[in-house]
Amino acid sequence: SQQGEEDPQALSIQEGENATMNCSYKTSINNLQWYRQNSGRGLVHLILIRSNEREKHSGRLRVTLDTSKKSSSLLITASRAADTASYFCATGQAAGNKLTFGGGTRVLVKP
Amino acid sequence: DAGITQSPRHKVTETGTPVTLRCHQTENHRYMYWYRQDPGHGLRLIHYSYGVKDTDKGEVSDGYSVSRSKTEDFLLTLESATSSQTSVYFCAISEFSGGSYEQYFGPGTRLTVT
Repeated sequence: SQQGEEDPQALSIQEGENATMNCSYKTSINNLQWYRQNSGRGLVHLILIRSNEREKHSGRLRVTLDTSKKSSSLLITASRAADTASYFCATGQAAGNKLTFGGGTRVLVKP
Repeated sequence: DAGITQSPRHKVTETGTPVTLRCHQTENHRYMYWYRQDPGHGLRLIHYSYGVKDTDKGEVSDGYSVSRSKTEDFLLTLESATSSQTSVYFCAISEFSGGSYEQYFGPGTRLTVT
């Protein structure tokens, strides 16, 4: 079963625009992590937000977490063609540090 | 890349044959994981390890076994490969950072079972 579900499944934007994707989950979590995956490549860790945090920034990335709604969002500001990739959220449990992934959002940034 | 390598990177095998995938890490991480990635399913946890000889099952463990005899190596074995095990397999480690464990992934192994 998938703990995290991303929305939308696919997103197409122009370079310079912002991209927002959302992740919903079902059970309580210790943390939530976002990853990027370029086509045919491995996963790159973007950012981790703990369950007691509400917002976190890293460069052009902004992540929010609302534990009452069991949801998170990832915002990429001023997108670039190089941001074209699939983005995954993964919820982390304290026991075993295991992650449960959602199905991902495919982002296409058109130049 | 957190010092994670996977071998082989690509493999084609026939149904019914045994296959072993290797994950090697150089930074003495305690926790290691095996995931598989299939279209439409994201990544799913197969098995994980929290130390030498300590392993546990994940969400999709049927048909797979693992072994960890050394800290640096985590092996995934398909005892008798089936076509449904055609997938991309990722190994990961957990690294403690800022009060939480972040997972970092290896480059993946693309396995095709014919």
